[in-house]
Amino acid sequence: QKEVEQDPGPLSVPEGAIVSLNCTYSNSAFQYFMWYRQYSRKGPELLMYTYSSGNKEDGRFTAQVDKSSKYISLFIRDSQPSDSATYLCAMTNTGNQFYFGTGTSLTVIP
Amino acid sequence: NAGVTQTPKFRILKIGQSMTLQCTQDMNHNYMYWYRQDPGMGLKLIYYSVGAGITDKGEVPNGYNVSRSTTEDFPLRLELAAPSQTSVYFCASSLGVGGAKYFGPGTRLLVL
Repeated sequence: QKEVEQDPGPLSVPEGAIVSLNCTYSNSAFQYFMWYRQYSRKGPELLMYTYSSGNKEDGRFTAQVDKSSKYISLFIRDSQPSDSATYLCAMTNTGNQFYFGTGTSLTVIP
Repeated sequence: NAGVTQTPKFRILKIGQSMTLQCTQDMNHNYMYWYRQDPGMGLKLIYYSVGAGITDKGEVPNGYNVSRSTTEDFPLRLELAAPSQTSVYFCASSLGVGGAKYFGPGTRLLVL
């Protein structure tokens, strides 16, 4: 079983839609959870960083962690064409083992 | 701050050639990493370093070498390039264990 599972998509939504991106994981020791956005031919860019369970909001982005279900989500409100990218989840415990999902490709259609 | 910078942006190598991918960060991060990204395969850790003079293998270290003589620089060396090393290589840094990683723009490598 993979440490982190992420649906690759692709996901295509109209502009203004609410987008939900998800990852599941198997290791209950994970405590730090991240979402990265990667535009085509660019490096991953950190979007959200959360510790343990709960929600974190930053503008149109909300990260949600449910440790009991081993499930994390990223919500994008009022999606824009500029949100079109691949979104990677990542997680770690306090060690050097850092696990990435394979990424979900999102296209927001004007 | 420039963050994490990588050179070159793109390179074509012939089988058996060698090259060094450069990575520099100006955030005074102790931890630095090299990843490769292949389509549909996610990011795989090649090597990492927890400080100057200290390096360790990641998930896919074969065919690569690293050194860390300064806090800022973490070059990745490819010896005897093989087609399987065709990939996009990303350098990253973080402040500490568990810290968020900041990535460079990547080096695209094609081995023919």
